[in-house]
Amino acid sequence: QKEVEQDPGPLSVPEGAIVSLNCTYSNSAFQYFMWYRQYSRKGPELLMYTYSSGNKEDGRFTAQVDKSSKYISLFIRDSQPSDSATYLCAMRFDGGSNYKLTFGKGTLLTVNP
Amino acid sequence: NAGVTQTPKFQVLKTGQSMTLQCAQDMNHNSMYWYRQDPGMGLRLIYYSASEGTTDKGEVPNGYNVSRLNKREFSLRLESAAPSQTSVYFCASSAHRGSYGYTFGSGTRLTVV
Repeated sequence: QKEVEQDPGPLSVPEGAIVSLNCTYSNSAFQYFMWYRQYSRKGPELLMYTYSSGNKEDGRFTAQVDKSSKYISLFIRDSQPSDSATYLCAMRFDGGSNYKLTFGKGTLLTVNP
Repeated sequence: NAGVTQTPKFQVLKTGQSMTLQCAQDMNHNSMYWYRQDPGMGLRLIYYSASEGTTDKGEVPNGYNVSRLNKREFSLRLESAAPSQTSVYFCASSAHRGSYGYTFGSGTRLTVV
């Protein structure tokens, strides 16, 4: 079983839709959870960052962590064509010497005008 | 503020040739990383450097070497390129052992023929 599983999609939605992107993970020791956005032919850029459980909101984006289910989500409200990109989840342990990020493989999202 | 700068952006090599990918960051980050990204495989860690003077193998180190030249620069060398090394290579850096995520460069597209 891979440590982090992410549905690769592709996911296609109309402009204005609410988008839900998800990752599951197997290691309960993960404590930091992130979402990266990667436009075509560009490097990933950090979108959202959360520690432990709960929700975090930033404009149209909400990151949710459910540690009991080992499940994280990214919600995009009022989606725009400019949101079309690949979204990667990432996570890491808390403290110690193992601080490397473990990435999901990414979900390709297209928002159609 | 340039962030993470990678050179070159594109390269075509013949099998058996060698080359060095350059990476520099101007954010005073301690840790630096090299990833490769292939379709369906996601981001895979090749090598990383926790701090100046240290380097460690990641998930797929075979065929590569790295040098942490100073705090700013981290290079990746292919000694004898193989077609299996055709990929997009990303350099990243982070502060405080990965806290607040990574900052990625824009990538190097390498084709080995």
